[in-house]
Amino acid sequence: SAVISQKPSRDICQRGTSLTIQCQVDSQVTMMFWYRQQPGQSLTLIATANQGSEATYESGFVIDKFPISRPNLTFSTLTVSNMSPEDSSIYLCSVGPSGGNTGELFFGEGSRLTVL
Amino acid sequence: QKEVEQNSGPLSVPEGAIASLNCTYSDRVSQSFFWYRQYSGKSPELIMSIYSNGDKEDGRFTAQLNKASQYVSLLIRDSQPSDSATYLCAVNLNFGNEKLTFGTGTRLTIIP
Repeated sequence: SAVISQKPSRDICQRGTSLTIQCQVDSQVTMMFWYRQQPGQSLTLIATANQGSEATYESGFVIDKFPISRPNLTFSTLTVSNMSPEDSSIYLCSVGPSGGNTGELFFGEGSRLTVL
Repeated sequence: QKEVEQNSGPLSVPEGAIASLNCTYSDRVSQSFFWYRQYSGKSPELIMSIYSNGDKEDGRFTAQLNKASQYVSLLIRDSQPSDSATYLCAVNLNFGNEKLTFGTGTRLTIIP
């Protein structure tokens, strides 16, 4: 298993501002995933963050809006830029087990963002 | 057609009974299937994974996979109030693709 710490756990933000979410893992992992879970909805993958390369974004998500950093094998950040109320959501960092199937994900506790 | 479909529920089951949760997926080449449990206000946690046709049992949980019918299910025997949660079905839709696609989840309530 992996222990994942996310910060902040929650925040209230003003429209037009940006917020950076941090994700720290207690072990080295190759791939880190950022998901969004909007109220009452399931999880949607935003991007996959690989150490040493550009993040891979899913359809509907762009780097200008959700820039990601992955400076080492235990840490990643996701920035939500120029926020609007539609960005109000829970943002989840996740990792797969080392050497295991990447479908067997461990999730951080999430960062609940409310945009006013 | 959605890529991964689940009945959103809510599904209410008496304590001690069997809860049956169903999931269908669109891509015939999918290889890996997962069930996650999400308590209200918490993040998802993996409870079962299944990769080949048939049944896989783990304690009170049984996952069933039928690739020909593109169907995966989760049975919870002797349901407990602590099983009340949303259950998310997730699939690796494309072989070799590490991305998981989640269903919308089924909300399960166990009635004491």
